[in-house]
Amino acid sequence: ELKVEQNPLFLSMQEGKNYTIYCNYSTTSDRLYWYRQDPGKSLESLFVLLSNGAVKQEGRLMASLDTKARLSTLHITAAVHDLSATYFCAVTPVAEKLVFGKGTKLTVNP
Amino acid sequence: DSGVTQTPKHLITATGQRVTLRCSPRSGDLSVYWYQQSLDQGLQFLIQYYNGEERAKGNILERFSAQQFPDLHSELNLSSLELGDSALYFCASSARQGALGSPLHFGNGTRLTVT
Repeated sequence: ELKVEQNPLFLSMQEGKNYTIYCNYSTTSDRLYWYRQDPGKSLESLFVLLSNGAVKQEGRLMASLDTKARLSTLHITAAVHDLSATYFCAVTPVAEKLVFGKGTKLTVNP
Repeated sequence: DSGVTQTPKHLITATGQRVTLRCSPRSGDLSVYWYQQSLDQGLQFLIQYYNGEERAKGNILERFSAQQFPDLHSELNLSSLELGDSALYFCASSARQGALGSPLHFGNGTRLTVT
């Protein structure tokens, strides 16, 4: 059974600092997705990584994918309070579904 | 706004009852996915439909069933409800048959509370 593991599960950081969230998965998948969820809200698609070595950046967030290591990272640069949310990675073991990690709850403190 | 509409937003019901959750996908999207989100289990894939046909099943209980209608809206039926069924139920849609390369667009969810 596919396992998607994120770490850390909880992250408290100060504004202006950098940090990385890790996503490991246990089976072959050429595609990886990052989503953001605010408390009580829906999931918002952040990045779709489609190949080994893919890197995408949006504002203070940068995501990368290493399919050989089965690892994706979400790097946060100079965090701001508005980035506080839960971040999920997800992979597609078969075409029809996404399997999500448990999520990383990020809190950015002033 | 993702364009995916879910109703109702909140549902409170008693154990043993049956409820129906409704989802309208984004305009033009043929695939509909149902997910359950709870604190202990996280986001669990339940079932997927493409253009009216079931395409994939996940951890969906036998007490749960779903369908997608000709107008592409979908309903998730939950019966013989138990306390443990309390969760946030999300519907998502995508244009393609499968999820490959295409992000799913999620609705705002239906929060089900079973008392």
